[in-house]
Amino acid sequence: ELKVEQNPLFLSMQEGKNYTIYCNYSTTSDRLYWYRQDPGKSLESLFVLLSNGAVKQEGRLMASLDTKARLSTLHITAAVHDLSATYFCAVISYSGAGSYQLTFGKGTKLSVIP
Amino acid sequence: DTEVTQTPKHLVMGMTNKKSLKCEQHMGHRAMYWYKQKAKKPPELMFVYSYEKLSINESVPSRFSPECPNSSLLNLHLHALQPEDSALYLCASSQGALNTEAFFGQGTRLTVV
Repeated sequence: ELKVEQNPLFLSMQEGKNYTIYCNYSTTSDRLYWYRQDPGKSLESLFVLLSNGAVKQEGRLMASLDTKARLSTLHITAAVHDLSATYFCAVISYSGAGSYQLTFGKGTKLSVIP
Repeated sequence: DTEVTQTPKHLVMGMTNKKSLKCEQHMGHRAMYWYKQKAKKPPELMFVYSYEKLSINESVPSRFSPECPNSSLLNLHLHALQPEDSALYLCASSQGALNTEAFFGQGTRLTVV
């Protein structure tokens, strides 16, 4: 059974600071996704990481994937309040009959304080 | 069009009611999903449809009944729900291939009273 672990689960950080969220997964996969969720809202796709060594950046967020270590990181640079949200990583696995499913980590609730 | 549209956005129903949640996408995706998300928890997979056929049912109680009338539509029929079924129900779709991402709808906030 695929397990996806995120840490930390809660993160309170000051504006302007840097921090990294970690996502470990238990079985071989070279497809990993990061999503953002605001309270009461749906999931917004942030990054799709498709291969070992993949690195993607969007604004103050940068995601990377190390498939050998089964580890992805989401790095936050110079945090601003607007980044406050819950961030999920999700790993894809084949679920049979030509379909795939996402298994989510528990999420990291990020609060950026002035 | 990269939208997955879910209706209704909010639903309050009694334990004896029958209601349906609807999901629609026009991206040509061949896989569609229902997820359930409780507060402060990650989404949990309920059902997967691939090419309009149910391919995964994650041990979901029979009071939830999925239906895929065609490749663009996905329904979730609800009957005799319990208060603990109150949650955000998310629909998603993907091309079904390994390297494509899943797009999520805005969700239906369901409250069972």
